Amino acid sequence: QSALTQPPSASGSPGQSVTISCTGTSSDVGGHNSVSWYQQHPGKAPKLMIYEVNKRPSGVPDRFSGSRSGNTASLTVSGLQAEDEADYYCSSYAGSNNLIFGGGTKLTVL
Amino acid sequence: QVQMVESGGGVVQPGRSLRLSCAASGFTFSYYGMHWVRQAPGRGLEWVAAFYGDGITKEYADSVKGRFTISRDNSKNTLYLQVNSLRAEDTAVYYCARDLGWWTLDFDSWGQGTLVTVSS
Repeated sequence: QSALTQPPSASGSPGQSVTISCTGTSSDVGGHNSVSWYQQHPGKAPKLMIYEVNKRPSGVPDRFSGSRSGNTASLTVSGLQAEDEADYYCSSYAGSNNLIFGGGTKLTVL
Repeated sequence: QVQMVESGGGVVQPGRSLRLSCAASGFTFSYYGMHWVRQAPGRGLEWVAAFYGDGITKEYADSVKGRFTISRDNSKNTLYLQVNSLRAEDTAVYYCARDLGWWTLDFDSWGQGTLVTVSS
């Protein structure tokens, strides 16, 4: 299976909102509810931010939200803060007991 | 608190083998699916293998099928990854990650990773 498609970079000023897209196919993003988003700071392990398209684990600020339209999932970060600057990865179940990730998006807080 | 600590990485020649370990603590290890996810230097994440919470089912990415073997010892709260016939493209940080449940493919806790470098 091919990796999910994410923009390589995104940016926004503190307080603004930014949306990161994750495009797949009807066999992965569009066909299953197992769509997740991870945040990764440099040199650190990833952290789960969103699962099952739009659910937040406990402890994740409600500034982070997830959605999906067709074969594209989106992560929206509202009220951008400096600590949100990180790499973000989407993932999706792709059938046949396989999981695929997106290529990652580097979010810069200007 | 939930913690996973990986070990076993290092520099290894192409074609050789390694066994990676992930020692877990702070939760009932046997209840959860466990996974290995790797990240090549400067690259994105790649799911490698899973051992479901049923204690029986194992799954592998096509890129490692036949070369890597995942196992777990619930009495020792430890997950393993036997990596054989290593190739340059296997060079990566290998993370173990806990599934949210039996098998959801959502990873709510991660170790710090262990680096495997395949080089002659």
